[in-house]
Amino acid sequence: EDQVTQSPEALRLQEGESSSLNCSYTVSGLRGLFWYRQDPGKGPEFLFTLYSAGEEKEKERLKATLTKKESFLHITAPKPEDSATYLCAVQARGGTSYGKLTFGQGTILTVHP
Amino acid sequence: NAGVTQTPKFRVLKTGQSMTLLCAQDMNHEYMYWYRQDPGMGLRLIHYSVGEGTTAKGEVPDGYNVSRLKKQNFLLGLESAAPSQTSVYFCASRADRGIYNEQFFGPGTRLTVL
Repeated sequence: EDQVTQSPEALRLQEGESSSLNCSYTVSGLRGLFWYRQDPGKGPEFLFTLYSAGEEKEKERLKATLTKKESFLHITAPKPEDSATYLCAVQARGGTSYGKLTFGQGTILTVHP
Repeated sequence: NAGVTQTPKFRVLKTGQSMTLLCAQDMNHEYMYWYRQDPGMGLRLIHYSVGEGTTAKGEVPDGYNVSRLKKQNFLLGLESAAPSQTSVYFCASRADRGIYNEQFFGPGTRLTVL
């Protein structure tokens, strides 16, 4: 069974204080790992897809990396508007091709000014 | 483009009542999904559809039914609501351009069953 574990559950940072969020996964062959951002009362918003170990993607202050067992979302010099819940999800190879995603429980990030 | 929209945004039901949640997408996506999100549980797949006229069960399908009569719409029905179905429901859609496609989510429906 595919599993995704995110840590920490909650993270509080001061504005400008860089840090990383972790997503550990077990899957029977990784097809893709997805990062989403979710603001309170809203639906998840797509950030990145990573496909293979060693891959990195960046968007503004966010950088996602991938190894064979985990992914990190690095946040450099965060601002209060980066406050949100960050969700990680994996899609496994094989089986049906309907794109099933297994989600972690998310990390709640709060950035204080 | 409006993307993925959901109706209603909020709803309160009494145990045993029925209701239908509507999801609409204007991106001409083949795949559509219904999830529920509960504290500490993450997003869990209820049902999905790989095209007009098709539906299939996800991880937690019990107590729900779905229909995809039109490509742009995906309906989620609760025939006899139970307090355990209190949750936030999200609809998502995905293009069929191969295997590496992200899902786009709607804004959610917050449902309370008393």
